[in-house]
This record gives sequence, structure tokens and C-alpha cells, in this order.
Amino acid sequence: KAGVTQTPRYLIKTRGQQVTLSCSPISGHRSVSWYQQTPGQGLQFLFEYFSETQRNKGNFPGRFSGRQFSNSRSEMNVSTLELGDSALYLCASSSPPGEQYFGPGTRLTVT
Amino acid sequence: EDQVTQSPEALRLQEGESSSLNCSYTVSGLRGLFWYRQDPGKGPEFLFTLYSAGEEKEKERLKATLTKKESFLHITAPKPEDSATYLCAVQAPTGTASKLTFGTGTRLQVTL
Repeated sequence: KAGVTQTPRYLIKTRGQQVTLSCSPISGHRSVSWYQQTPGQGLQFLFEYFSETQRNKGNFPGRFSGRQFSNSRSEMNVSTLELGDSALYLCASSSPPGEQYFGPGTRLTVT
Repeated sequence: EDQVTQSPEALRLQEGESSSLNCSYTVSGLRGLFWYRQDPGKGPEFLFTLYSAGEEKEKERLKATLTKKESFLHITAPKPEDSATYLCAVQAPTGTASKLTFGTGTRLQVTL
């Protein structure tokens, strides 16, 4: 069974730009969660989607948003990028909510 | 607010030298406690889920245990390939949704 895939793997953006990251969950998984990982803060929960609905949201500003499509694929968007948004963005899928399986992540660098 | 504290932050072991990693947690209504392994530049790899105090799970040289306040990851006779960051996370029920709260991890280095 194919694992969670994330694209792109690496991204370099400048401050003020916006970025869209994509996640394809494991086949049959309907829940997708997003996390931000930085050396200082570790892994922090961004939001979770299930059946195209956001079910839970972490403590991040409104510049961070996401959506889920009918095929369970998910995207997250960060607008007006700041230097502090540089991080590894991880997507995880599960079904039913339980063990979450992570993708390889997208490394975002904001300059 | 859910909290997870892992200790030690870093651990260096010689091959064959057994040890334990600690994960202390505070959560309102534990749904599950998870252990992950993360190699540099990669996403966390799922290891174990524990649901209730007294539960134990094993996989190769790893054994995870759970009490009402903490979990231990015991590593028996580690090998250099066990070197990684080990992350602990708790899942608390929030309605029908779920999210994981992670600790900051223990960086394990196993040398020859």
C-alpha cells in the first residue's frame, strides 16, 4: 500500500508570498492532519480534515488555511509568508482516527 | 492544556547498552499514547500505540509501556541503526476530532 505523499518536497519562497502544499493520504484514509515542525517548537498541530470538513484547528494565525477534496487529498495554504514560517510541514493520514501515518514532509524556506 | 515532556533530551549509548526513554504526560482523558521514530529529514515513522495503563507492546529491540502518568520506551541491546529521534505524542478526544500533542523528542545516538 502506498504511503502518504507530499509535494513539493522542498520549497523556497520570499517574505510576503503565499504557498500551497499538497498531501495525498494513504488509500482509504479519510482523515488528514497537518503539523508544523521547527527545531525550537517541535511538532505542532495545525488542523485536521475529515470528509472535506475541518474538524479541529491548532493555535496558528488565519494566514494558515487548508482544505480537503472529495478524494481525501488535502492542501494547506500559507499567505503573506514570514521568516518564522520556515519549517518542515508534515501531513498525516488515519482511518479511523487513531494511528497517524506521516508523509516525508515539505521543507519550506522563507527568505 | 495537554502537555508532553520527554527525557532525556539526548542520549548516547554504546551498542548493546540497554536504556529507557521517558515520556510524562498531562491530558484530560487519554485516548491513546503514540511513539514515533524520526530520522533526519524524514517524517515520523509510527512505532506503537498504547491505550490503557498496564499495556505493553514490543517490536524487535523496542518495548513500550504505559502508566497513568508516563510511558517508557525501553531499548534492549541497541544497534547503530536505532539512532534516531524518538517522539512521544498523546491523543485526547475533542468531540469527534482528534489531534496529537507531541513532546520535543529524545535524540538517541548508538555508537559501536
